[in-house]
Formats: sequence, structure tokens, C-alpha cells
Amino acid sequence: SAVISQKPSRDICQRGTSLTIQCQVDSQVTMMFWYRQQPGQSLTLIATANQGSEATYESGFVIDKFPISRPNLTFSTLTVSNMSPEDSSIYLCSVGDGLSSTNEKLFFGSGTQLSVL
Amino acid sequence: EDQVTQSPEALRLQEGESSSLNCSYTVSGLRGLFWYRQDPGKGPEFLFTLYSAGEEKEKERLKATLTKKESFLHITAPKPEDSATYLCAVQAPLNAGGTSYGKLTFGQGTILTVHP
Repeated sequence: SAVISQKPSRDICQRGTSLTIQCQVDSQVTMMFWYRQQPGQSLTLIATANQGSEATYESGFVIDKFPISRPNLTFSTLTVSNMSPEDSSIYLCSVGDGLSSTNEKLFFGSGTQLSVL
Repeated sequence: EDQVTQSPEALRLQEGESSSLNCSYTVSGLRGLFWYRQDPGKGPEFLFTLYSAGEEKEKERLKATLTKKESFLHITAPKPEDSATYLCAVQAPLNAGGTSYGKLTFGQGTILTVHP
């Protein structure tokens, strides 16, 4: 299985600022996904990031708020912009099964716990 | 819209007391049903993917089964180290634009506590 490293693991930020979360994978993967897990709730997909194309955002999430970069097949970043306390959450990077597009297995990083004051 | 409902929300077991977790789903087209385990402060850990009704998969004390409307995660003779939140998710099929391939819709999870 892929080994996924997320940075930072946690951060406390002031409202109005931005935070960039990094996701590094130890092998090349076609598809990378960003999820949010709000306190006491389950995971919600923010966007799908494929290398060489614009990220695809789910309903309720917009690029201006959550810009994503995917410069190569092993790395992606998610920025949480102009933060408010409602953005306090765990943000998780997920990758598919190598260079396969079938994604029969999906793996998750350990997450970034964000608190906005 | 795809929906996933897990029950119970929380389950307390004594060590060795077998039980089952339920995952009911409503989807427009199921490509796969995933089970994950999540420990506090960590990301979900992949357990199983099931694709068709009647399919079963096992891993140590866990066995996952799938019907057309629900999936069960059976835990046989659990140990305290099995304590975790178990998440169920359905995977959307490929759409015309290919952008939803791999998207998972998660249930709320079942918090399992196994007492020694």
C-alpha cells in the first residue's frame, strides 16, 4: 500500500489567514483526493486532483476557498484560504491504487488537524 | 444522491463477544463498498472492498459481507485492540466526465469499544 505523508499534522491559525497542507506519496498515483472530517462527523470529499489538469470540486466547495495544486504524480497541496472558525476540521489526503484508474483500494494520510481561532 | 447509514452509532462488547456492524446504502449505481478502520487522531485504514452481492472477505477477526442493500462487518471474538471507529463508504461509478471515479461517500461510522 502507498505511504502517505501529510504536513503539518496539526496547526492553530488565526481567522483571516491561510494554511497550505502538503501531501507526499512514496509512489506515483494517478488520482489524489482531499477530504474534510468535521468534529463528530464523517468524511466529506472536497475535490479530486489529477496531475496535469484542474482539480474537480464537489458541491459546496470552491477553488477560491480551497485552491489545490498537483504538480506531479507524488505530491499535492490543499490551501484553506481566509479561514474562519467554521473551517476547524481534520483535512485528509487520499490516494488511489498506483497508476490504475480503477481505485480498487483508496488509502488515507494521517490527516491535518486544523483549529481556527 | 448516494446515502450511507451505519448502525449502531456505538457498540460496547466484552472481549470474546462476537457481533456485527451494519451499513445500509442507497446508491444510483454501486461500484464498490469500502470498509475502513479509524483510530483516534489517525486517518482511515483500508480494510476491504466488496463489489457484488454475496461477496465475502476476511481479515483476521473481521469478515465483511455484501447484499444489494447493505453490508455487514462481523467481528469474531474481538480483542481490546479492535476498539476503533469503523467506517463504511460506497464508491460512485465512473461518470461521463470521469471525475467521480474513486469518490467515496461515507457513513457516520460505528464506534466500537471492546472491554477486557
